[in-house]
Amino acid sequence: NAGVTQTPKFQVLKTGQSMTLQCAQDMNHNSMYWYRQDPGMGLRLIYYSASEGTTDKGEVPNGYNVSRLNKREFSLRLESAAPSQTSVYFCASTVTGDSNQPQHFGDGTRLSIL
Amino acid sequence: AQSVAQPEDQVNVAEGNPLTVKCTYSVSGNPYLFWYVQYPNRGLQFLLKYITGDNLVKGSYGFEAEFNKSQTSFHLKKPSALVSDSALYFCAVRARYSGNTPLVFGKGTRLSVIA
Repeated sequence: NAGVTQTPKFQVLKTGQSMTLQCAQDMNHNSMYWYRQDPGMGLRLIYYSASEGTTDKGEVPNGYNVSRLNKREFSLRLESAAPSQTSVYFCASTVTGDSNQPQHFGDGTRLSIL
Repeated sequence: AQSVAQPEDQVNVAEGNPLTVKCTYSVSGNPYLFWYVQYPNRGLQFLLKYITGDNLVKGSYGFEAEFNKSQTSFHLKKPSALVSDSALYFCAVRARYSGNTPLVFGKGTRLSVIA
């Protein structure tokens, strides 16, 4: 039971480098989400995809882009990394965005920007 | 707009004592409410949810939560705390019939159970 798989688990980048965080789910979910978690800030939504072929901005989209590659995969790209993007990034999925079903989370990618 | 408040950053409780982690919310209309738990270096794990019906919801690991519409609260409770309950707890809300509006999470409450 893999659930939501995120790669890589850890990454260190230099300022200005680019990076793609990968997320895949095997639960046939329609909706997928990217969050960042910072101390004292809780979870903040970066982007989400309600269904294959659609993406929408969340609370903190600046500096990020996303691609819903297919139903299973939703990637997050940092085009030019900045130290303010040092964070733990979580991907989540759920059956559909308008349901009462819970989200399932991956174990995160810990990203440090030097 | 949807919002969630977890008024306590940290809750400390002795093992065997009851615990409460507080959550209040604001939505237009009726809410879907969720509690999640996060252990170190892990993602969030679903604990329980309120959809409709009985105001007392039971979930995983002996946790329960009470929905109070008049106070717009959804406090998480457990009758007898375990050291292994020490973790970060998140409350989340979305309005029913709000289409694909994503969940809104609180900032989290760190629970420390002391032996």
